Amino acid sequence: AQRVTQPEKLLSVFKGAPVELKCNYSYSGSPELFWYVQYSRQRLQLLLRHISRESIKGFTADLNKGETSFHLKKPFAQEEDSAMYYCALKITGGGNKLTFGTGTQLKVEL
Amino acid sequence: DTAVSQTPKYLVTQMGNDKSIKCEQNLGHDTMYWYKQDSKKFLKIMFSYNNKELIINETVPNRFSPKSPDKAHLNLHINSLELGDSAVYFCASSQMGTSFYGYTFGSGTRLTVV
Repeated sequence: AQRVTQPEKLLSVFKGAPVELKCNYSYSGSPELFWYVQYSRQRLQLLLRHISRESIKGFTADLNKGETSFHLKKPFAQEEDSAMYYCALKITGGGNKLTFGTGTQLKVEL
Repeated sequence: DTAVSQTPKYLVTQMGNDKSIKCEQNLGHDTMYWYKQDSKKFLKIMFSYNNKELIINETVPNRFSPKSPDKAHLNLHINSLELGDSAVYFCASSQMGTSFYGYTFGSGTRLTVV
């Protein structure tokens, strides 16, 4: 069965430092990967889709099929980036079901 | 104008009670979902409806029964509530097929069973 792994429960960085939130998936087919962000006690919001190859709020993520990874990166962390980040996988023919990782809490310290 | 709205936002109830959570979306999406976020922030899908038809039904106790009167609404009824049902329940919606751009989530319903 498909699976999403986010190895870090908590990632703490200083303001201005680079950020990398790790995401690995297991799926033998052609995946669609997403990053969602949840600010404190708010709804989850879509941050990135690998298909659109966009940069949102300075974040980027590249799908690496060889390493089955979709790590989220930002060169300079801002205080407002502190949030919970979820990586999610959609498989072909899965009825649009998104399988989420366990999430990584990013804390940006001053 | 909220895209996916859930009511109530907070729900505190006693064990054994029956309660409902309502969800409505005004995005014109054809698919709606219920996810449960537990105390460890883990998100797990419970149900999904496409045009009022149940398409995803994960391993969820029979006490949970979704109902979709039309494609803009998906309600969740829970019978005989247990302490372990305490969680945040998120409703979401999306378009099916090639127009899928990801989910739009509601703001969540924090259910506390005492």
